[in-house]
Formats: sequence, C-alpha cells, structure tokens
Amino acid sequence: GQNIDQPTEMTATEGAIVQINCTYQTSGFNGLFWYQQHAGEAPTFLSYNVLDGLEEKGRFSSFLSRSKGYSYLLLKELQMKDSASYLCAVRPNQAGTALIFGKGTTLSVSS
Amino acid sequence: GAVVSQHPSRVICKSGTSVKIECRSLDFQATTMFWYRQFPKQSLMLMATSNEGSKATYEQGVEKDKFLINHASLTLSTLTVTSAHPEDSSFYICSARTGGTDTQYFGPGTRLTVL
Repeated sequence: GQNIDQPTEMTATEGAIVQINCTYQTSGFNGLFWYQQHAGEAPTFLSYNVLDGLEEKGRFSSFLSRSKGYSYLLLKELQMKDSASYLCAVRPNQAGTALIFGKGTTLSVSS
Repeated sequence: GAVVSQHPSRVICKSGTSVKIECRSLDFQATTMFWYRQFPKQSLMLMATSNEGSKATYEQGVEKDKFLINHASLTLSTLTVTSAHPEDSSFYICSARTGGTDTQYFGPGTRLTVL
C-alpha cells in the first residue's frame, strides 16, 4: 500500500525555526512535493525534491533522503501568516500521474 | 504563471440536483488534470485523472456515473456531480500539471453543500 506519515500538529513562536518531518512508503518514487494550505483554501506549491539533498527557497527549505524514505520542510524566521497546514505529497509513478498526499501537519505560530 | 481557476467557488444545492464545476488552466496547456476531494481536517483524496481527449481514470471507490468528468480542451476540465446528496458535500479541488518539473498547481477549490 501507499503510506505517508507526518505529525498532525505543531506549534512554534514568531521568529523561530520549525522542521516538519514526512516519511513515506510507496510503491515507487518519482518526486516529493510540499504544499501549504490555509483553512478553506486550495494548496499552494512550496517545493519539489526528486534527488537527495536540500533545496532552499527563501525562508523555506526541503530535504530528501530517498534511501530512508524521509523528507522534511524547514521554515525559518516564522511569521504569523505561516500558520497553515503543510502537506507532504509523493508521486509514486511516472511523470504526469497523480500525487498521494499525507494528512497534513497543522502549524500554529504564536507571538 | 501556472494559474488554475475553478468555478464556482461555492455552491449550495438541493439533494437530487446536479452540479457542474469547471477547472481551467489560465496560462498554460494541461493535457492532464486531477480532481481531488477533501473532507474537513482530512487530506486530499484523488478522485480521478482527467486526460484531454480521452476518458477519465477513476480511483477505486469513486462512481464514474455519479462524478462525470469531461476534458474537452487543453485548458478546461469539468466535474459534474450528478444527483447530489448531502454526503457529497465536500471541498472539491482540481489541479493541472505543467511540464518541466511536472508540478501540479491547484485551483482555489469549490465548496459544495448539498441540503
């Protein structure tokens, strides 16, 4: 079966750094995506990893280890607007096929 | 770039009626679009994969006769919920894939409430 695990909830304070972990067991692997979703809205794309290592994009970084079936999303200099759900998604098959989503991690940022 | 729109954003209908939701890729062509459903505090669940010019591929447990999908052009896919019932009330989201990194970009979603 396909399984993607991530913590249900996390809390942090403004200005801090938070790491959201994601582990996956899927039939195949052809890329891992992180999305941000605010309540009642559609997900917005944050990052994409297909090779091992760290991808940095401003305050957001994403890491992948394919051998461990593991990824994390790192958020630096947290802001209140970063309070949202963060979805880890894996594409198990070839390009053009659907993603499998984890249940999401709800991050609450307080002042 | 990579903007996906959905219409309507919100719809309330009576049980037994049909509702059509449109998904458009505004600044790129999308040979493949995906339809997801999300219940409160749940993750996105793939319903079907919509391919331009061919029949949609439905996920196990999704009734193809109830959720009609048409992908008539490279920029438009429609989902019609036929004979909607209260249990069909959900947040329906489409996504369209681009080339290159093959990233999926999501529409803003349609919140369907069936009374």
